[in-house]
Amino acid sequence: QVQLVQSGAEVKKPGASVKVSCKASGYTFTNFYMHWVRQAPGQGLEWMGWINTNSGATNYVPKFQGRVTLTRDMSTDTAYMELSRLTSDDTAVYYCARGPALLGYWGQGTLVTVSS
Amino acid sequence: DIQMTQSPSSLSASVGDRVTITCRASQDISNYLAWYQQKPGKVPKLLIYAASTLQSGVPSRFSGSGSGTDFTLTISSLQPEDVATYYCQKYDSAPYTFGQGTKLEIK
Repeated sequence: QVQLVQSGAEVKKPGASVKVSCKASGYTFTNFYMHWVRQAPGQGLEWMGWINTNSGATNYVPKFQGRVTLTRDMSTDTAYMELSRLTSDDTAVYYCARGPALLGYWGQGTLVTVSS
Repeated sequence: DIQMTQSPSSLSASVGDRVTITCRASQDISNYLAWYQQKPGKVPKLLIYAASTLQSGVPSRFSGSGSGTDFTLTISSLQPEDVATYYCQKYDSAPYTFGQGTKLEIK
């Protein structure tokens, strides 16, 4: 069965970076894009971008351009989301979700808290 | 970028009621519209794609319609387990923007 297992909660200081992992199993990793979506406390879903897990090509929402980096490791079937220059506005649950476009499978979410 | 606008933002209805949520795209997205359900404290779940196709396992009381810029999600007979926030999402091309969500409660 398809599973996406994300890394655990993180607490970071403003200005720091965070890297969240998403390990896929139950399907051929390189056949499906991986998307990243975040949800601030009490707020809605915000699409951040995707990575073509085969080619490594990426597409980011302009809002995050320059701060977010999506990567993947094909040897371990793991996708990564790194967000830099964190502020309190980046406090949110970060989800990976399998594409290519429809998000039919989601990770359990990773809470990233940015606090001084 | 195309904006997705849902209405209402919140909704309270009685068990058995017919409930309709609308989603409007700022430009034509054909039928590249999905609906997700997020129950409190849970991960979002894909309900409907291609504007009107029910994802496997989703109860038949859910239905979707529309194309172009105007879409609706309908629950024909509201059940207590339908309490959730519902989101539309465009997926014709990036950015795959979500609507702001509609929070559905039981009256």
